Amino acid sequence: QLQLQESGPGLVKPSETLSLTCTVSGASISSTIYYWGWIRQPPGKGLEWIGSIYYSGSTYKHINPSLKSRVTLSVDTSKNQVSLIVSSVTAADTAVYYCASDPTASDGRYWYFDIWGRGTLVTVSS
Amino acid sequence: QSVLTQPPSVSGTPGQRVTISCSGSSSNIGSDYVYWYQQLPGTTPKLLIHTNDQRPSGVPDRFSGSKSGTSASLAISGLQSEDEADYYCASWDDNLKGLFGGGTKLTVL
Repeated sequence: QLQLQESGPGLVKPSETLSLTCTVSGASISSTIYYWGWIRQPPGKGLEWIGSIYYSGSTYKHINPSLKSRVTLSVDTSKNQVSLIVSSVTAADTAVYYCASDPTASDGRYWYFDIWGRGTLVTVSS
Repeated sequence: QSVLTQPPSVSGTPGQRVTISCSGSSSNIGSDYVYWYQQLPGTTPKLLIHTNDQRPSGVPDRFSGSKSGTSASLAISGLQSEDEADYYCASWDDNLKGLFGGGTKLTVL
């Protein structure tokens, strides 16, 4: 059974870097089936797609253009983890950050997330 | 302001049928599939509908999705108190980005 678990600091200072990891169990991070996505949700607000990464020997990434200059996605196959880095954070980056699986990597016509982690709240404050 | 427009709130009484609309454009809904997520209070979003009108295993057939042109709808029939949640539509945009609607809060009166 596929499960995802986000982890990382709950508090980050303005202008610093937010780093989160998503540990995947029940599937290989190198699976040809999945993109691994990050979505965030500011308190009391809606969902925002951050980006998605696929790794199966080669890496493919899609990142929200509005965040592209500050976001880095990567995978660690030895730990079966996906990582998210957001640089130069501000209070607007305060949100629950979700890791989720997108099972459509073999067919580029689709884009959806079927399994979600529980999410982790990151607060940007001094 | 989300590119995919949803009403902020809808309401209904138990047993009633309600619909939630999602309006986009030719670069997203008009040229790609629509997906719907349900987020119960205090919980993680759950995929409710994929590929316009397909229900994942375990989703009751009270939930149905449709798409026409640049708009889509989620219908919930036989409304139940446990359906009270936030609902989000989603679609891929030709500008290489994934989009979520602003969300609709469903209240069961």
